[in-house]
Amino acid sequence: DGGITQSPKYLFRKEGQNVTLSCEQNLNHDAMYWYRQDPGQGLRLIYYSQIVNDFQKGDIAEGYSVSREKKESFPLTVTSAQKNPTAFYLCASSISHSIFMNTEAFFGQGTRLTVV
Amino acid sequence: AQSVSQHNHHVILSEAASLELGCNYSYGGTVNLFWYVQYPGQHLQLLLKYFSGDPLVKGIKGFEAEFIKSKFSFNLRKPSVQWSDTAEYFCAVNYVGNAGNMLTFGGGTRLMVKP
Repeated sequence: DGGITQSPKYLFRKEGQNVTLSCEQNLNHDAMYWYRQDPGQGLRLIYYSQIVNDFQKGDIAEGYSVSREKKESFPLTVTSAQKNPTAFYLCASSISHSIFMNTEAFFGQGTRLTVV
Repeated sequence: AQSVSQHNHHVILSEAASLELGCNYSYGGTVNLFWYVQYPGQHLQLLLKYFSGDPLVKGIKGFEAEFIKSKFSFNLRKPSVQWSDTAEYFCAVNYVGNAGNMLTFGGGTRLMVKP
């Protein structure tokens, strides 16, 4: 089945530790995104990547890092510099190799990160 | 910066009431518009989308939305809600511009339908 897989579903980490969230897609999509979802604040864009080996900061990139070494994978690292890391993280992808291409985002199931 | 606004953060309705959720965006150029829904405990799902053509689009489960370019709006409507429509609804806009495609979400509206 084609889709986006995020793992793990739940993740617990101690304060001060870096943690990496996995996102894999087999939809052959060029663009991938990481969002953070907090109650009452909707979805906020952390990072996005339009193509392999390229990525841009979103609205709340501070304390996060990403890589895009393969088209299928877009891991997100939550670093110790992120002041409020406990949240629900959503990965998405879309076809985006042309600005004239209509796009629709497909979402993973999300990872709930709790930092204690 | 380009933005999407959903003015109603929480909406409570009784079954069979009519629903309209507002969505406004800030970009004056070409946009693609979406409504996503997140049912309790489930992942985000596409409800409907507008790319071009008829500005009144119909989605799943009896939902529809109207794109009004002059008002920069894409409001979601349903004539008669059901208890199963209880969910969080997100408006999203794909700004098609020089920077490429990027999906921007509104803050979401939590809908509770009382049986």
